[in-house]
Parts: sequence; C-alpha cells; structure tokens
Amino acid sequence: DGGITQSPKYLFRKEGQNVTLSCEQNLNHDAMYWYRQDPGQGLRLIYYSQIVNDFQKGDIAEGYSVSREKKESFPLTVTSAQKNPTAFYLCASSRQGGIQETQYFGPGTRLLVL
Amino acid sequence: QQPVQSPQAVILREGEDAVINCSSSKALYSVHWYRQKHGEAPVFLMILLKGGEQKGHEKISASFNEKKQQSSLYLTASQLSYSGTYFCGTEGDNAGNMLTFGGGTRLMVKP
Repeated sequence: DGGITQSPKYLFRKEGQNVTLSCEQNLNHDAMYWYRQDPGQGLRLIYYSQIVNDFQKGDIAEGYSVSREKKESFPLTVTSAQKNPTAFYLCASSRQGGIQETQYFGPGTRLLVL
Repeated sequence: QQPVQSPQAVILREGEDAVINCSSSKALYSVHWYRQKHGEAPVFLMILLKGGEQKGHEKISASFNEKKQQSSLYLTASQLSYSGTYFCGTEGDNAGNMLTFGGGTRLMVKP
C-alpha cells in the first residue's frame, strides 16, 4: 500500500539536544512538506521541498533544518535553537509542487521536551 | 495571511446540518478542506478551484465564492463519524501550492 510513514510516533527531547523526525513516502511524489501543529491550532509550514536536493523555508523555519537527498525521504531536525519544540509534527507530500495538487499527510510525530 | 474559520466550534445531534465558513483577505486560487480526528493526521476531503464547480462528497459538499474570497463546507444529515476538526487550507494565485491553514472548526456530533 502506498502512503506516508513518520517515525517515531512519540519523541522526547532533552534540553540542548537535537532530534530528527523521519518522514518517508512511497507515493512517488515530488513535493514534501513539514508542518507544526500546536494544541487547538491550525497547521503552520516549517519547510517544503518541491524536488530532490532543493528545499525552501516556510513560515516558521527558525530552529529547524531539513534535507532532501532522496525523493522518498524528507527528515526534519529540531535543533537546540528551537526553544519551544513541544508540538505535533506532520509531514505531507503531493504529486507535484504546483497549484491544484492535493497534499496527503502522514500519521504525525508528537515531540515532548523533558 | 491565515484564513479565518467560523464558527470555532459546533455541537450537533445526529441528523442535523452544519455549515463551516472559511474567509481570506487575499485573492484565492483554491481552497482545500481537511478533517482531522484527535491525534491523527488530517484527511483530505475536497479541493475547490477558482472558476470550478461546487464539489460534493457523500453528504459533505462545499462552495467557493471567488469574489468574496470565501468557501463554505456543508455537512448534511450529520453522522457520528463526522466529529473532528475541520480545516480549510487556502492557496493564493502565486503561492506555488503553499497552503495556509485556518485555525480549524471543532465539530462534535452527539447521538
């Protein structure tokens, strides 16, 4: 079955620690996205990539980094510079990066700070 | 600019109807509607394009008023499974498929 997988489901971060969230898709989609969702809030775009080896900052990129070395993978690193990382992180993909394209979401990773 | 959704929350009895609105301050090319169950990923419902028709999905339909930069989601004869948070994602004419999501509307359907 085609889809988007995210791991882990829950992740705990200590102060000053970098952590990496995994996102993999086997839909053969070109574009991938990372969103952050805070309790009772909408989704805010962190980073997006429309093609391999290329990515752009979204609205709240500070304290985060990404890479896109393979079409199917778009990992997100939450760095120690992100002072308030506790949130639900959602990865999404779309067939292309243009308009009209539907975005499909993975199951999410919940990040908690110890 | 984040679109504004209204109402923020609504409680229905099974079989009742509801309308959720999404308004933007900028010209829109498309509006995407998603439903999210608690702790789960948003699930795509439908997309409405500028100049396109009103869309429908089972008993859930939506409209897009380009001049008013608004979209409305209509849920008729609601079922328990309709409970969740509904989000609209809007796309401007030059946004390159960057969706801006509203704050969500929490819908609870009771027996």
